[in-house]
Amino acid sequence: KAGVTQTPRYLIKTRGQQVTLSCSPISGHRSVSWYQQTPGQGLQFLFEYFSETQRNKGNFPGRFSGRQFSNSRSEMNVSTLELGDSALYLCASSPVTGNLGYTFGSGTRLTVV
Amino acid sequence: AQSVAQPEDQVNVAEGNPLTVKCTYSVSGNPYLFWYVQYPNRGLQFLLKYITGDNLVKGSYGFEAEFNKSQTSFHLKKPSALVSDSALYFCAVRGTNAGNNRKLIWGLGTSLAVNP
Repeated sequence: KAGVTQTPRYLIKTRGQQVTLSCSPISGHRSVSWYQQTPGQGLQFLFEYFSETQRNKGNFPGRFSGRQFSNSRSEMNVSTLELGDSALYLCASSPVTGNLGYTFGSGTRLTVV
Repeated sequence: AQSVAQPEDQVNVAEGNPLTVKCTYSVSGNPYLFWYVQYPNRGLQFLLKYITGDNLVKGSYGFEAEFNKSQTSFHLKKPSALVSDSALYFCAVRGTNAGNNRKLIWGLGTSLAVNP
């Protein structure tokens, strides 16, 4: 059974650019959550999607957006990149919404220069 | 407000010794509690969870955790540490009341170093 797949694994972007990250959940999982991980702030919740609908949202600016497709795959977009957006972005899937246990992908390491 | 505290940034133990990684929490209602482990440049891996029932929860790789309601703690333990257990450990909690109380709140992580 394939795990959660995140692409790309590594990304280098310039300030002001935008970026799109992709997450394919475990087959059958309908909930996808996104987290930003930085050494100083730990894991910060970005948003959760379930059945193509955003169910929860963290405290991030509107530059951070996401969506989920009918096959449960999800994308996260960050526009007008800032240096502080450099982080490991983690995607996690679960069969249902409700935060009862996630399977995480390996993450996308974004570096903004 | 819900919160999770992992009071130790780093824990060092010798291989073969027991290890404890501490976690305390604050949540309205009954808590759901989780432990995850993260190896370098990897995502988080689920270790164990407490939802209800027996206070002692057994998980992956020989880890266990004890839910202590009176002390609002959920410490992670292992009787005999391995060098391969060296990693970053995260505790997380969510409440069971409606609304934002169901958001998963994460600790900042504890770096475990097991010395040979």
